[in-house]
Amino acid sequence: AQSVTQPDIHITVSEGASLELRCNYSYGATPYLFWYVQSPGQGLQLLLKYFSGDTLVQGIKGFEAEFKRSQSSFNLRKPSVHWSDAAEYFCAVGDGGYQKVTFGTGTKLQVIP
Amino acid sequence: DADVTQTPRNRITKTGKRIMLECSQTKGHDRMYWYRQDPGLGLRLIYYSFDVKDINKGEISDGYSVSRQAQAKFSLSLESAIPNQTALYFCATSDPSSGRADEQFFGPGTRLTVL
Repeated sequence: AQSVTQPDIHITVSEGASLELRCNYSYGATPYLFWYVQSPGQGLQLLLKYFSGDTLVQGIKGFEAEFKRSQSSFNLRKPSVHWSDAAEYFCAVGDGGYQKVTFGTGTKLQVIP
Repeated sequence: DADVTQTPRNRITKTGKRIMLECSQTKGHDRMYWYRQDPGLGLRLIYYSFDVKDINKGEISDGYSVSRQAQAKFSLSLESAIPNQTALYFCATSDPSSGRADEQFFGPGTRLTVL
């Protein structure tokens, strides 16, 4: 069975600092990987996705993520965080079309001035 | 206009009441999903539907039922609400014909409180 682990429940960073949110997955084949963001009171918005090809993927809002098969990881990064990035971030793994998408438990990002 | 809409956005009800949450989409997607979100637990799948005639249970379907009235509409019902069904509920859609079948598009959520 596929699974996703987001080891950090809560992260606090200063505005302008770099950010890395960790995600580890478990899946038997090549995974479909996603990062979603949920702003307070909002639904989930897709930040970026990896299906195949280049292991460094670019997303919206200046985010990027790198797929590392050897580490079963798909960490999300941003070089300089803005106050508007404060939100909850979810990593997810899909099974390649059979529509079983499993979400991690989320990492809540706080940005301080 | 939003592509995936949910009504109501907020609902407070009492234990034992029947509740229906509705989801509509204008994306033309065949596949629709219902999730619930609880703090610290992420999103868990309740039911999903691949088309009007195909409805499947997710990992936490007990206490819930669904109806797919049309391609664009997918409703979630709580036949007899209980307090531990207090949660944020999300509807989502996806489109297998796009070649990116796993990518899901979410509604804004319904916050349900059962007293």
